[in-house]
This record gives sequence, C-alpha cells and structure tokens, in this order.
Amino acid sequence: DIVMTQSPDSLAVSLGERATINCKSSQSVLDSSNNKNCLAWYQQKPGQPPKLLIFGASTREPGVPDRFSGSGSGTDFTLTISSLQAEDVAVYYCHQYYRPPMYSFGQGTKLQIK
Amino acid sequence: QVQLVQSGAEVKKPGASVNVSCKTSGYTFIGYYIHWVRQAPGQGLEWMGWIDPNSGATMYAQKFQDRVTVTRDRSIYTAFMEMSRLKFDDTAIYYCARSWELHGAFDFWGQGAMVIVSS
Repeated sequence: DIVMTQSPDSLAVSLGERATINCKSSQSVLDSSNNKNCLAWYQQKPGQPPKLLIFGASTREPGVPDRFSGSGSGTDFTLTISSLQAEDVAVYYCHQYYRPPMYSFGQGTKLQIK
Repeated sequence: QVQLVQSGAEVKKPGASVNVSCKTSGYTFIGYYIHWVRQAPGQGLEWMGWIDPNSGATMYAQKFQDRVTVTRDRSIYTAFMEMSRLKFDDTAIYYCARSWELHGAFDFWGQGAMVIVSS
C-alpha cells in the first residue's frame, strides 16, 4: 500500500500570508506512461464534502482561485496558498490515485487563521 | 450541473446492514467511475471501493471486501453501497464521488450520508 503522510498536522497562518502544506508518499506516484503525477489535493470545510482543488500534482481544477498552487513530483508534493483568505480555513488532504484500486489519502492538515 | 445526491442519515444496530444510494445527474452516468469513501467522526478519508457503472465491475479495499457490495441501476443513474454486519466503528459519513478514469482524481462528491451504529 502507498502511505501518504502530510505535514504539518495543523497550521496557523496570518491573513494575507503564505500557507504551505506538504505531502510525502511512501512510493513514487509518477505514472511513467504519461509523465503525470497521480496526486490530488482536496479542501474540506466543516459539514461539507471534500472539494477537488488540484489534480496531476499541479493542475488547478476549473474555478479554483489562482492563489492555490500545487508542486512536486515522485514522492514529495506541496500545496501552497499564496495569500491566505478567511474562507481558506479548512482541512486539506492529499490523495494518490496511482495504484488503483488502492487509493489512499493523507491524514489531513488543519489550516487556521493566526 | 453535475450532482451526486445521497440518501439520508441512518441509525442501525450492530450486526445489521445499511444501504446508501447515490443518485447522479448532469452528466453521462456510464462515463465515470463511482467511488465510495468514508470519514469517521473527526477523522480522515478512507477509500472503500469503486464501480464502473457501464460494466458493473467493482473493486474493493481489502478491508471491506467481505462486507461491502456496490451496485448500480443504470436506468435511474444511481449507485448503491451496502455494508453488512455493521460494527460500532462503522459510524461515519459515507460519501460517493466520481472519477473519469481509475487513474483519476475525484472531481465531484455527494453531500455524504451519516450512518450511526448504535445499540
């Protein structure tokens, strides 16, 4: 199984400042057949289902603000929020879909306002 | 617009079964896989299984293989997840979500269905 480990578990950032969340996979999730990383990021607000932000490690889902960006390849990935807004308070999850049927998620990172 | 609308909350006794539905609209039902993911209270996300609505093929996480059955009814664009022999720690929100391909992210999710297992 591919284990996804996020860091930190929680994070407090001031409004307008940068927030960075890391995700490390126990094996590479790079699909060599198309050179795409099978890694997504989701945002989950209380009482809501997860919302897809980023797929392919760095491609924003349509409608997602451009302050959200994803980077990384292989086993190490980062979600960056360039200028934190109040509505970004949520739990963020990374997700690997490289090894179906064994999909796995990170444990989540809780993002709060400092 | 794409929608996945799930059935309502359920309260079940240990040992019972529960069936959660996921009614889809706004897209071609047979063109996307449907996944089931659960989230225990205050916990993270756990993938359970998928179904190909076109062929009916399914795959489950090993943990759920003997207790979960996912089906679909193409005529009503709906997928179903049945879990048997419920235990207290099956108390969770159960989500359905879709992906365009198996190597694909889950781009739309249902609102979730709370299942409480209580004696």
